[in-house]
Amino acid sequence: NAGVTQTPKFQVLKTGQSMTLQCAQDMNHEYMSWYRQDPGMGLRLIHYSVGAGITDQGEVPNGYNVSRSTTEDFPLRLLSAAPSQTSVYFCASSKDRGYGYTFGSGTRLTVV
Amino acid sequence: AQSVTQPDIHITVSEGASLELRCNYSYGATPYLFWYVQSPGQGLQLLLKYFSGDTLVQGIKGFEAEFKRSQSSFNLRKPSVHWSDAAEYFCAVEGQKLVFGQGTRLTINP
Repeated sequence: NAGVTQTPKFQVLKTGQSMTLQCAQDMNHEYMSWYRQDPGMGLRLIHYSVGAGITDQGEVPNGYNVSRSTTEDFPLRLLSAAPSQTSVYFCASSKDRGYGYTFGSGTRLTVV
Repeated sequence: AQSVTQPDIHITVSEGASLELRCNYSYGATPYLFWYVQSPGQGLQLLLKYFSGDTLVQGIKGFEAEFKRSQSSFNLRKPSVHWSDAAEYFCAVEGQKLVFGQGTRLTINP
């Protein structure tokens, strides 16, 4: 089925470890974004991209890196995991402004 | 900078009753406005969107929302809620990026 695929679905990291959350979409969408969801805080934007080779910071970018080398993929890298990065992470994509984003099913990350 | 406020963290209504979820936004130009719904343990699903034209927009699952520029509001409504509507609802505004409010959790009493 077409959509946004996130891997892994669950991950436990130790403090200081690094990892990459994968996000892929097969809808040829130009816009892609990463959010984290924490109780009572809604979804906060980490990084976003408006096309291959173009990325920008969102509301909470510290501790995260992204790159967009292809239209399909938008990986999120945690450089040195901290307990404060324990969260549910969502990737989303959109054809253009105003179309509405399609969301992946999320990655639940726990940092111990 | 764009921002969204959802004043109600948690709302409880009885099944069959009407529903209104509030949303206020801040954005310098005419915004794209959205409502999303998230069922427990799931991702987000788009309910409806607004950019221009008729200020009353219809969405899926019997939801509608009204854009009021003078009040910077985009409230979500449903005439009669069903137990399956229990979920968390997010209002969002899109300028160059999509920004969400904190969400409203809806509980349905039988």
